[in-house]
Amino acid sequence: GENVEQHPSTLSVQEGDSAVIKCTYSDSASNYFPWYKQELGKGPQLIIDIRSNVGEKKDQRIAVTLNKTAKHFSLHITETQPEDSAVYFCAASPHTGTASKLTFGTGTRLQVTL
Amino acid sequence: NAGVTQTPKFRVLKTGQSMTLLCAQDMNHEYMYWYRQDPGMGLRLIHYSVGEGTTAKGEVPDGYNVSRLKKQNFLLGLESAAPSQTSVYFCASSVLVSAGELFFGEGSRLTVL
Repeated sequence: GENVEQHPSTLSVQEGDSAVIKCTYSDSASNYFPWYKQELGKGPQLIIDIRSNVGEKKDQRIAVTLNKTAKHFSLHITETQPEDSAVYFCAASPHTGTASKLTFGTGTRLQVTL
Repeated sequence: NAGVTQTPKFRVLKTGQSMTLLCAQDMNHEYMYWYRQDPGMGLRLIHYSVGEGTTAKGEVPDGYNVSRLKKQNFLLGLESAAPSQTSVYFCASSVLVSAGELFFGEGSRLTVL
């Protein structure tokens, strides 16, 4: 089955700096890669996703890049703000499967300091 | 505009006791899921349902049972709770049969003593 590794487990940046979280996956059949943000006491919420026919996707201050050859994808947050502090999860899934095939990484706790 | 609602939010059980977690969604989604979240292990799928009256096993189903008698509700049961089931449980729902956005509830923290 799929194995998703996520690094780093914790990340502290100063407000205004950029943050990068990296994930690798093992199953070459995976071609859907979402990122979820979990704020304290809340459930995870989808913030951005990418499919394998695209190498990069941006949404305001967040972007995701995908390298299918190397089997890794990354989340980039620019101009970080205190409200970006949360736990971020990457995930991978075969597009043709159900969401039951979604495998999550172990999470990255991002802290944005003033 | 409730989305996905889980009850209860907190529960403490003794080993061997039973309990049921209730998940309700008001988005008319076909697909519903139960995950558990443990430190350093991310989210792991327990059971899921692809429609009313259906259930299927996920990655870590042992010790849990589920039922989907109504489309909007998905129940997770623990027949004989064990300390290893201490965790935060999340219910989620989705529209698409293929990979798409999961809508999560706010979680239920269960402690088994």
